[in-house]
Amino acid sequence: QVQLVQSGAELREPGASVKVSCKASGYTLDIFGTSWVRQAPGQGLEWMGWISDYNYKTTYSQKFQGRVTMTADTSTNTAYLELRSLTFDDTAVYYCARDLSHSWEFRHLDYWGQGSLITVAS
Amino acid sequence: SYELTQPPSVSVSPGQTARITCSGDVLPKKYAYWYQQKSGQAPVLVIYEDTKRPSGIPERFSGSSSGTVATLTISGAQVEDEADYYCYSTDSSANHRVFGGGTKLTVL
Repeated sequence: QVQLVQSGAELREPGASVKVSCKASGYTLDIFGTSWVRQAPGQGLEWMGWISDYNYKTTYSQKFQGRVTMTADTSTNTAYLELRSLTFDDTAVYYCARDLSHSWEFRHLDYWGQGSLITVAS
Repeated sequence: SYELTQPPSVSVSPGQTARITCSGDVLPKKYAYWYQQKSGQAPVLVIYEDTKRPSGIPERFSGSSSGTVATLTISGAQVEDEADYYCYSTDSSANHRVFGGGTKLTVL
């Protein structure tokens, strides 16, 4: 069955970087892409970007362009989100989700990870 | 940047019909998807491609779309349907996705 298992909670200081992992099982990352979505405390869902299937092309929300990198390690079937230059406003739960889109077709997110809480504090 | 607009809250009594709207300029051309999120949990898909219901989602959940407005309808809402609901779609390029601001559904 499909499962996405994310890395645990992290605490970072302002200005630091964080890397969140998302290990997929039940399918491979060359067949389906991965989107990353975050949710600040008490706030709504915010789409950060996605890494596509087979050619691993990345598309980032303009809000995060320049300080986010999404990658995929096919040897371990794990997707990664790296966010740099953290500020207090980056405190949130970060979710990975299987993205059924292809480069020619927008579709939905069907399976989600459990979420990783990233806290930015001094 | 592209935006989807939802009402912040909707309130109904048990057994009544709840309707949650989502407005966006590109919705006539792109599908809307709807997610339910209960407190402390990951989102769950309840409607895809405007009107389709995934397996396991109760029949009381339905979706529709007309022009620039997509609507999630819960017919005979139950107390267990209390949650935040988000619409999800993309801009005209189909590359940049967006969630609506979310609607808190209260059933009491």
